[in-house]
Order: sequence, then structure tokens, then C-alpha cells
Amino acid sequence: EVQLVESGGGLVQPGRSLRLSCAASGFTFDDYAMHWVRQAPGKGLEWVSGISWNSGSIGYADSVKGRFTISRDNAKNSLYLQMNSLRAEDTALYYCAKDLEMATMVYAFDIWGQGTMVTVSS
Amino acid sequence: VIWMTQSPSLLSASTGDRVIISCRMSQGISSYLAWYQQKPGKAPELLIYAASTLQSGVPSRFSGSGSGTDFTLTISCLQSEDFATYYCQQYYSFPPTFGQGTKVEIK
Repeated sequence: EVQLVESGGGLVQPGRSLRLSCAASGFTFDDYAMHWVRQAPGKGLEWVSGISWNSGSIGYADSVKGRFTISRDNAKNSLYLQMNSLRAEDTALYYCAKDLEMATMVYAFDIWGQGTMVTVSS
Repeated sequence: VIWMTQSPSLLSASTGDRVIISCRMSQGISSYLAWYQQKPGKAPELLIYAASTLQSGVPSRFSGSGSGTDFTLTISCLQSEDFATYYCQQYYSFPPTFGQGTKVEIK
């Protein structure tokens, strides 16, 4: 079964850091680009960041550029998101998502995890 | 950034109805459009990509059409499990962007 399981969310004060993880199984992880997509409470979806299969191509939304860092460890079938200088507006459910196509990065998402909640509040 | 206008925001319908959701782009995106379904408390699920290609396992009552700037998602015969929120998403240009969503509720 293809599965993505996020972890690492929680309550954090503004200005602090948090690291999210996503464990992948059921597919050849290093064949696919991976992404983080977030959803603020009661709001729509916002793409946050994506990384190609070999980490050679990385992109960020303007809202997180310079504060968030995406990475992956293909040996561990894992995706990460290091979030620094967190703000109240970063409060959201963070989803890990698999890119639709193999060996490229098309920015469409065919498999999603269940998400991990990040709350930024003092 | 490509902006997307999804309409309507809220759609009240009955089981068996034919439902059409629209998504309009601020500029042409060829056919680089996906549709997702999200049920309360669940992650989004991919329904359609490349504007009209049905994702594996998705019922055939779902269909997508359009190219350029205007797209539609059609549910031919609404079932009880289809009451959810639907999002369009363009992946033609960076950054990928989503529509604001259409909630399909029971009439």
C-alpha cells in the first residue's frame, strides 16, 4: 500500500523552529519528487515547497522562502521540512504529497499523507 | 503568479443531480490542470489531471474538460459520497496554485 505518514507537528512560539518529517512506503521513493502543501484551519490549499527525486531542484513559495528548508533522505525513504522563524500565519495542517510523474517534477500530487498540525502561538 | 477563480464557492445539490464546477485562470495554462476532492478531516485526493485524465480508481461519473483558461469538473450523477469540497490546481507555471474550493453540500 502506498502511504505517506507525517510527524513532527505541534505547538510552537513565534520565532521558534520545528522540523517536520514524512515517511514514505509502498513505492520507489527515489523515483519521485516530493512536496509539502499546507492548509490553514478552515481555509484552502497552499503549496509550500517541492524537491526533485535527486534533490537537484528545489522550490519554495514566496511566503516561506528564506525561512523553510526542504530536504530528503532517499536511503531512509523520508522527506523533511525545517521551519525556522515561525509566524502565526504558518499555523496550518502540513501535508506531504508525492509528485504525479516519475523522474521529473510536474507539481501535481497523486498521493497525500494525513497531515501534521503546526500551531504557532505564544 | 497565475490566479484562479473557482465557481461557485458553495453548491447545494441532491443525490442524482448533475453538478458542474468551473475554474477560470488569469492566463492560459494549456491542459496543466488537476482536480482534487477533499472530505472533512481527510487529505485531498486526486481526481483528474491533465484537465481530463481520470486518476486510477476514480469513478467514471467524474469528468473534466477545458484548456487554456476555462475548465470544468462535472459529476454526472451525484452520489452521497461525493458531498465534499473540490479544488482545481494549475501546474503550468511556478508556483503551483489552487482555486479557493467549491463545497458541494446536500440540498
